[in-house]
Amino acid sequence: GQQVMQIPQYQHVQEGEDFTTYCNSSTTLSNIQWYKQRPGGHPVFLIQLVKSGEVKKQKRLTFQFGEAKKNSSLHITATQTTDVGTYFCAGQGMMKTSYDKVIFGPGTSLSVIP
Amino acid sequence: EPEVTQTPSHQVTQMGQEVILRCVPISNHLYFYWYRQILGQKVEFLVSFYNNEISEKSEIFDDQFSVERPDGSNFTLKIRSTKLEDSAMYFCAVLLTAGEYTGELFFGEGSRLTVL
Repeated sequence: GQQVMQIPQYQHVQEGEDFTTYCNSSTTLSNIQWYKQRPGGHPVFLIQLVKSGEVKKQKRLTFQFGEAKKNSSLHITATQTTDVGTYFCAGQGMMKTSYDKVIFGPGTSLSVIP
Repeated sequence: EPEVTQTPSHQVTQMGQEVILRCVPISNHLYFYWYRQILGQKVEFLVSFYNNEISEKSEIFDDQFSVERPDGSNFTLKIRSTKLEDSAMYFCAVLLTAGEYTGELFFGEGSRLTVL
């Protein structure tokens, strides 16, 4: 079955440093989504990428979807303490319907040292 | 922004007892999901529900689990005979958009289940 992997599992950075998490799927994805979960909270949608090679930016966050639609990355420039949390990539395989299950990666837990 | 309310926020139960977790989406939605997250671990898909029936389920969703939408509003997850390993946070999610592109999942705040 479809598996989604992420590295690293944990990342500790000094405030102001950059951070990148990488996501890899065992199968081709129709889309990739990124979620953020604060400690004790629930996953919150950040963005969705659909097209091969797509790049999207949200302020200090840059998201990429690989050409083969099997990998993705999230890069945060100049981390802040508000960036603390676990970042999950999630994706759908080649869909039969738009409401097919979304499979989550194991997440990268980001700690920011002030 | 649409809201999804989950109850209870925390339930403690004895092993073997039945548990019902509830999800109430404020806005009209067609697509519902249950996910679970064992403490510190990944968010795992359990089941998707569309048009008042299960559309897909994972291997985790065995005969001990069931879902229904009895009154067109509440979306419930029932665990018939809880096991210790069912202890987890259970998230209800709704699909915000559909069509040409898959929409985002909007998660409720979760129900923490502790099985003793």
